[in-house]
Amino acid sequence: NAGVTQTPKFRILKIGQSMTLQCTQDMNHNYMYWYRQDPGMGLKLIYYSVGAGITDKGEVPNGYNVSRSTTEDFPLRLELAAPSQTSVYFCASSPIERGGNNEQFFGPGTRLTVL
Amino acid sequence: EDQVTQSPEALRLQEGESSSLNCSYTVSGLRGLFWYRQDPGKGPGFLFTLYSAGEEKEKERLKATLTKKESFLHITAPKPEDSATYLCAVQATDSWGKLQFGAGTQVVVTP
Repeated sequence: NAGVTQTPKFRILKIGQSMTLQCTQDMNHNYMYWYRQDPGMGLKLIYYSVGAGITDKGEVPNGYNVSRSTTEDFPLRLELAAPSQTSVYFCASSPIERGGNNEQFFGPGTRLTVL
Repeated sequence: EDQVTQSPEALRLQEGESSSLNCSYTVSGLRGLFWYRQDPGKGPGFLFTLYSAGEEKEKERLKATLTKKESFLHITAPKPEDSATYLCAVQATDSWGKLQFGAGTQVVVTP
């Protein structure tokens, strides 16, 4: 299993540009999450999904959109990039087993700079 | 509102010098408390889940404990390879699996 994969690893955007961060997992997990991590800060939840076709906002959703058409993929869309979106983005997935371990498995991250 | 506070922000240890990291939390109902390790340029890697007060888990030189208000991560006789940022997160019972993270403790172990 590759686990959670993210592309690209690095990206530089100009203000106002758009892009999609890709996330794929091959563990058949229903739950998927997008976080951002700023220097010296913990991970902040942007959006999450509990299954294909179901998404909801997290703590910091403004400026982002998501979709979940398959169990495996959970792309994150930035429509009008702003300098405040400069961050490292992590995708994660989880099995959420009743009475079991609900650990989240993280991807390697995408480092995004908006200039 | 769920909150997680980790202390200290940074910790510098000599090899073999044991120490503890603290994670204080407030949550409406705790489903689980998670410890992750994050190396520079990498995603967090899972260490432990603790579910109820009094629970302890160990892995090599690491031991995690849980009370009703805080968790400790004890590092016994650390080695340079234990250098990393350690993240604590709580999962509430009504959270759809969402995690609330602390800011982390950056640990540096020198030979």
